[in-house]
Amino acid sequence: GAGVSQSPSNKVTEKGKDVELRCDPISGHTALYWYRQSLGQGLEFLIYFQGNSAPDKSGLPSDRFSAERTGGSVSTLTIQRTQQEDSAVYLCASSPETGSSYEQYFGPGTRLTVT
Amino acid sequence: GNSVTQMEGPVTLSEEAFLTINCTYTATGYPSLFWYVQYPGEGLQLLLKATKADDKGSNKGFEATYRKETTSFHLEKGSVQVSDSAVYFCALSGLSNTGKLIFGQGTTLQVKP
Repeated sequence: GAGVSQSPSNKVTEKGKDVELRCDPISGHTALYWYRQSLGQGLEFLIYFQGNSAPDKSGLPSDRFSAERTGGSVSTLTIQRTQQEDSAVYLCASSPETGSSYEQYFGPGTRLTVT
Repeated sequence: GNSVTQMEGPVTLSEEAFLTINCTYTATGYPSLFWYVQYPGEGLQLLLKATKADDKGSNKGFEATYRKETTSFHLEKGSVQVSDSAVYFCALSGLSNTGKLIFGQGTTLQVKP
């Protein structure tokens, strides 16, 4: 079946602009995660959704970052007033349920470049 | 805090050589441990996992044993192939009720024919 998809695959934006990154999880997966992969910070957790709720937002680096999930499916990560340090690959993952015994399936990522 | 430390790469080996990638962790509880792999141009995928002490995870000829006494989860393979060239990430989870993964920095493996 279809895996996790993300769009766009690449995004180049000017400093100060807002961007939206989209994630389509595997159908039926209730848990959804956003991670960021950057040269300086490695792979870091951003936010977790269970259904449409986000009980853990502890990884969001600033209040310029927000995310939502609708219909227990698609999620959007929004970065306002982008800065150069936001340049990274943003990864989305979904899992059938929450918990370490359930595999997280990763999407191909969105490469964000802030100029 | 909770963290994962991996050996720095890149690791360059000849085909059929023995591979070890070291991974140690710091955790306040009893995490599950994972190895993820990222092949060139592809997304992250789970390679193997272990959920409790002394468990051994294995897949595609790779193995790792959860060592609580040394807080380690080293990845090994007896004979690497060119197709194993990838970035390998050690990770932990299970310290909160969210399932979020805490990753190491990643180790690049290059296998030469």
